[in-house]
Amino acid sequence: GENVEQHPSTLSVQEGDSAVIKCTYSDSASNYFPWYKQELGKRPQLIIDIRSNVGEKKDQRIAVTLNKTAKHFSLHITETQPEDSAVYFCAARYNNQGGKLIFGQGTELSVKP
Amino acid sequence: DGGITQSPKYLFRKEGQNVTLSCEQNLNHDAMYWYRQDPGQGLRLIYYSQIVNDFQKGDIAEGYSVSREKKESFPLTVTSAQKNPTAFYLCASSMRGLAGASSYEQYFGPGTRLTVT
Repeated sequence: GENVEQHPSTLSVQEGDSAVIKCTYSDSASNYFPWYKQELGKRPQLIIDIRSNVGEKKDQRIAVTLNKTAKHFSLHITETQPEDSAVYFCAARYNNQGGKLIFGQGTELSVKP
Repeated sequence: DGGITQSPKYLFRKEGQNVTLSCEQNLNHDAMYWYRQDPGQGLRLIYYSQIVNDFQKGDIAEGYSVSREKKESFPLTVTSAQKNPTAFYLCASSMRGLAGASSYEQYFGPGTRLTVT
């Protein structure tokens, strides 16, 4: 069935290090993969997204890579800062369900100064 | 924080009572969504609407109902049939929900934290 698996569930890094979060999806027809950042008690906010016709996308310290064959995509944050601490969610868009998004379970990232 | 709003921010109800959560957007978006978020879990889709006067069940629709009489508004009613209603509820909207959309991005409201005792 429809599923998005996200790992790890928690991640702790030192300031300045890189962080990588990985997701796998089940529907090969999925064509859109967003990443959201959610600070405590706040709304999720889109930080980067990628479509299925692209293998990689970068925006300053954030990058996302997509491997359609393996059906997995990853978020890479370089030079992490304490303000990067938050919960990050990946999602995949399912074409055969009216385009709804299926979300991963979330990764709580902690950046220690 | 304009664009999509939810009210109230916190809501307390007694068990057995129905409660309606408000969601309004001024982004001229066709599609709207309701999600439920529990601690340590991702967002789970309750209902979604791709166009006025139409909506579909998501993955966890039991015990919930919605209406979409206006493009700007998508209220969610949590009924007494919902066995575990205490949660953080998020509303979202996107330009279009149908295939072929130029933008798939979903914009979220600030959420309503519902506590039922």
